[in-house]
Amino acid sequence: LAKTTQPISMDSYEGQEVNITCSHNNIATNDYITWYQQFPSQGPRFIIQGYKTKVTNEVASLFIPADRKSSTLSLPRVSLSDTAVYYCLVGDSNYQLIWGAGTKLIIKP
Amino acid sequence: GAGVSQSPSNKVTEKGKDVELRCDPISGHTALYWYRQRLGQGLEFLIYFQGNSAPDKSGLPSDRFSAERTGESVSTLTIQRTQQEDSAVYLCASSLGGAVAFFGQGTRLTVV
Repeated sequence: LAKTTQPISMDSYEGQEVNITCSHNNIATNDYITWYQQFPSQGPRFIIQGYKTKVTNEVASLFIPADRKSSTLSLPRVSLSDTAVYYCLVGDSNYQLIWGAGTKLIIKP
Repeated sequence: GAGVSQSPSNKVTEKGKDVELRCDPISGHTALYWYRQRLGQGLEFLIYFQGNSAPDKSGLPSDRFSAERTGESVSTLTIQRTQQEDSAVYLCASSLGGAVAFFGQGTRLTVV
C-alpha cells in the first residue's frame, strides 16, 4: 500500500495559482492518484484523478511526471472558498487508500 | 438519493452505552465504506462492503465495533459499550464498483 507525503500546510492569496505537491515513491503499476478536498464539518469531496501525464477538469489540473513518484495538484486563481484540507491518495481500490493528514490550504484576501 | 446521507448528524452518548449510526448510500452504488476521523487527522478505514458482504473488516478497532448492510442499500455501524476514545466523526462513502467514492457529511460522535 503506497503512502504519500505532502506539506502539512500552505498559505496563498486570492487570485493566485496554488500548486500542492505530493510524493509517492512506492506507487505501484496499478495505482491511480486521487485528490480530495475537505471543508470543516463535511466529508471529503473528489477533485481529480489521474494515472500519468496531465489531467484537467473544471476545478483543477493534475500533473504527473513519467516516473509517477510524485504529483502536483494545481488550483488556478484560488478564492477564499478554496480554504480547505487537500488529500493526496494513491491506490487501485478505494478501501485500500491510506489517508494522511493532508495539506491545510489557507487562502488570504 | 442525490447523495450519501448519514444520520444522526450529531450524537452525544454516555460512556458504556451502545450507539447505532446509519448510512444511506447513493442509489445503485454497490460499494460502501465506513471511516473514522479524529480531529485534525486523516481518515481511518474501518470496513468495506461490496453488496451486503464485507470483504474487508480489517479496520474495525475492536470487537465492540460491528457493521451490517442490507443488500445494496442502508448500512449501520454499531459501537457497543462506547468509550471516550470512540469520540470522532464517522464518515460513510459509497461508489459504483471501484470508481470514485462519494462521502456523506458524517456523524459526529461525542462520548461523555
